[in-house]
Amino acid sequence: AQSVTQLDSQVPVFEEAPVELRCNYSSSVSVYLFWYVQYPNQGLQLLLKYLSGSTLVESINGFEAEFNKSQTSFHLRKPSVHISDTAEYFCAVTNSGGSNYKLTFGKGTLLTVNP
Amino acid sequence: NAGVTQTPKFQVLKTGQSMTLQCAQDMNHEYMSWYRQDPGMGLRLIHYSVGAGITDQGEVPNGYNVSRSTTEDFPLRLLSAAPSQTSVYFCASSTAYGYTFGSGTRLTVV
Repeated sequence: AQSVTQLDSQVPVFEEAPVELRCNYSSSVSVYLFWYVQYPNQGLQLLLKYLSGSTLVESINGFEAEFNKSQTSFHLRKPSVHISDTAEYFCAVTNSGGSNYKLTFGKGTLLTVNP
Repeated sequence: NAGVTQTPKFQVLKTGQSMTLQCAQDMNHEYMSWYRQDPGMGLRLIHYSVGAGITDQGEVPNGYNVSRSTTEDFPLRLLSAAPSQTSVYFCASSTAYGYTFGSGTRLTVV
């Protein structure tokens, strides 16, 4: 079985400050890792994903995440946040092999960016 | 280029009523799934399907039923609604490399 732990349920920061949202996972097999973002009263949007290759992956809006296999982590970072980044962020994991693409989510981290 | 379409967007049910949440995808994905989202709980898997005619239970299947007669459609049925089923429901369609989610159904059971 797989599991995902998001270590902070809420992260308040000031605008233009750096932020890190932490994610650790547990799995007995190789994994793909995802970060999804949910803006208030909206659905889930894929922010970035790690499938293979470079362990550092980036999104189009300045977020990045690094896959660390030895620490089983996939932390999300942004060097300077904006008010518009206020949202809930979900880390998720799935098996990298087979035909069952079951996605296991963490409980989410609410990022609040204050002026 | 609709992706995943969920209907309805909002629904209020009385305890004991039944209803079907509709989900359709136009990406020809074999894998589809239903999640419910509750505050502080993240998204929990209700049921999933790896192809037409094949369904299986997820983490929280009790009180829900699914079927998959076509690749495109994956409806979720609430057999006898209970207040504990008040939640936001998301349908998803996926390949191994990523999920596409519907916009969600906000269900309130009174």
